Amino acid sequence: SYELTQPPSVSVSPGQTVTITCSGDKLGDTFAHWYQQKPGQSPLLVIYQDTKRPSGIPERFSGSSSGNTATLTISGTQPLDEADYYCQAWHTSPAWVFGGGTTLTVL
Amino acid sequence: EVQLVESGGGLVQPGGSLRLACAASGFPFSDHTMNWVRQAPGKGLEWVSYITRSSNTIYYADSVKGRFTISRDNVNNALYLQMNSLRDEDTAVYFCAREDTAGGFAYWGQGTLVTVSS
Repeated sequence: SYELTQPPSVSVSPGQTVTITCSGDKLGDTFAHWYQQKPGQSPLLVIYQDTKRPSGIPERFSGSSSGNTATLTISGTQPLDEADYYCQAWHTSPAWVFGGGTTLTVL
Repeated sequence: EVQLVESGGGLVQPGGSLRLACAASGFPFSDHTMNWVRQAPGKGLEWVSYITRSSNTIYYADSVKGRFTISRDNVNNALYLQMNSLRDEDTAVYFCAREDTAGGFAYWGQGTLVTVSS
């Protein structure tokens, strides 16, 4: 089955920049979307179509894609950004796939 | 305001059945593809099922294929997930999510907990 691979965890100091990667076979042929999930909450879409930011999402969140890797970047990371982050992509079989998730710790 | 409200979760024995519902409001329900996503305790997100606007196309994750059935009622703005032959590993919070043509799931419900245990 199709898989999207993310690092299990990353850490960053407040105010610094952090990147979270998502890789998958032929990921470059489709769009990646990114979600933030805090404990006890539903996921929140923070980036869609690789690079676009939904209304209300701070500008410090950005996305990029190169080859078969999509990247979520948080610039000027704040303590409130501490959360789990998931990438998502469409694959023909079966349909949607989520990455395993990355826990971001703001130290 | 877009709202998705799941219901129907609870405790069920292995082999049992449960029907989840998702009540949608605040948007033209029949204009959107809908999905179910689940999250086992302490685990990541797992996509479960997909249904297009007019129910013409339906997909299931391999883990639930043949046991779960997704459906929708565009008159009453509701999404459903009939879950049969439930297993311990189906224990999870189940979310309904609205798929947008721009990509991704911009709206999610609060989730409903399904616990499969004897």
